[in-house]
Amino acid sequence: GQSLEQPSEVTAVEGAIVQINCTYQTSGFYGLSWYQQHDGGAPTFLSYNALDGLEETGRFSSFLSRSDSYGYLLLQELQMKDSASYFCAVGDSGSARQLTFGSGTQLTVLP
Amino acid sequence: GAVVSQHPSRVICKSGTSVKIECRSLDFQATTMFWYRQFPKQSLMLMATSNEGSKATYEQGVEKDKFLINHASLTLSTLTVTSAHPEDSSFYICSALRTGLTGELFFGEGSRLTVL
Repeated sequence: GQSLEQPSEVTAVEGAIVQINCTYQTSGFYGLSWYQQHDGGAPTFLSYNALDGLEETGRFSSFLSRSDSYGYLLLQELQMKDSASYFCAVGDSGSARQLTFGSGTQLTVLP
Repeated sequence: GAVVSQHPSRVICKSGTSVKIECRSLDFQATTMFWYRQFPKQSLMLMATSNEGSKATYEQGVEKDKFLINHASLTLSTLTVTSAHPEDSSFYICSALRTGLTGELFFGEGSRLTVL
């Protein structure tokens, strides 16, 4: 089976840097993804790590350490619009790309 | 970019009726689509994997006779909630996997079902 753990809530101020951690236990592993979801909306893809290391996409970066079963999402230069839920997700099948989602981290950005 | 469309976005129905939700990939072919359910402030729970031209694969605990999935074409999957009850009220989200692309799923906008 799969299980992922991430903090339930994080609060930060505009302009700050926030790191959201995710640890996972999986029977199989096919990459760690991060999704953003605003209230009432659909999840949107942020980043994907299949190999160890850091992936940078604009203000967002994601890191993976497969030996530690650990990853994080780094959000820089926080903006109010970044207030949302962030989910890490693990793919557990090389063919089906089924994702198991973490419980989500509610990020609140304060002015 | 790739777009997945879901319809309807909101639906309210009476208990005992059936509701059909459509998920369309608009600019790519999707041999595989996934259906998720999300309760307020909770994570997305995979309900089933829909494969074009074959039967859906349901996750443990999901009643296949209650949640009927049909994936009749490479761009359309439907989820029918049969004999809906108030406990079925939830946010249903589909996602589509574009053939050949790894890591990224494209999600529909979601359908909020309220059963009275």
